[in-house]
Amino acid sequence: GESVGLHLPTLSVQEGDNSIINCAYSNSASDYFIWYKQESGKGPQFIIDIRSNMDKRQGQRVTVLLNKTVKHLSLQIAATQPGDSAVYFCAENMGGSTLGRLYFGRGTQLTVWP
Amino acid sequence: GAVVSQHPSWVICKSGTSVKIECRSLDFQATTMFWYRQFPKKSLMLMATSNEGSKATYEQGVEKDKFLINHASLTLSTLTVTSAHPEDSSFYICSARIVAGNTEAFFGQGTRLTVV
Repeated sequence: GESVGLHLPTLSVQEGDNSIINCAYSNSASDYFIWYKQESGKGPQFIIDIRSNMDKRQGQRVTVLLNKTVKHLSLQIAATQPGDSAVYFCAENMGGSTLGRLYFGRGTQLTVWP
Repeated sequence: GAVVSQHPSWVICKSGTSVKIECRSLDFQATTMFWYRQFPKKSLMLMATSNEGSKATYEQGVEKDKFLINHASLTLSTLTVTSAHPEDSSFYICSARIVAGNTEAFFGQGTRLTVV
């Protein structure tokens, strides 16, 4: 079936370095994607989103890139900090007009070393 | 940002009993809420879409008689796990979308259910 998945289950970086987390999706009809951060024992926290009519979107220290040709999504975190350590999920809006009905990828555990 | 609160944060119950989990939008109204389930070190899996004033829409493979959802007001949805068994032990998370077109869904802090 169609799915959203992640290439790397774990990523370790040193504090101050940039982090890149990747995500592949297979539903070419998807038009809305979101990145979430989840700390242990907590609910997902919205980081940034992007619509399919965009290639790039920037937030504070984060950038999301969307390549529709190869159905690939990435999250870039600049100057990674220990507080960025968490599991990061990409999510795809499944519901068409029902926004918020999300299909999550399997997640990447980001560990930031001091 | 908007706040979604779940209660309880954790619960332990005996096999065969039922457990109710509440999801509240504290500072906004939500006609639609969503319930997810997450196993340890796994991703979130959408269970159902909760619609205020109407029946919930369940994802394929989710037993509607097992997981009862009620969305009685614009700020409250409840998930009741009926006749719970140890395999129902999981992290249950809800999300809510603000009325009137906002695309972002806000998540609760989750409820850890352990069935013994």
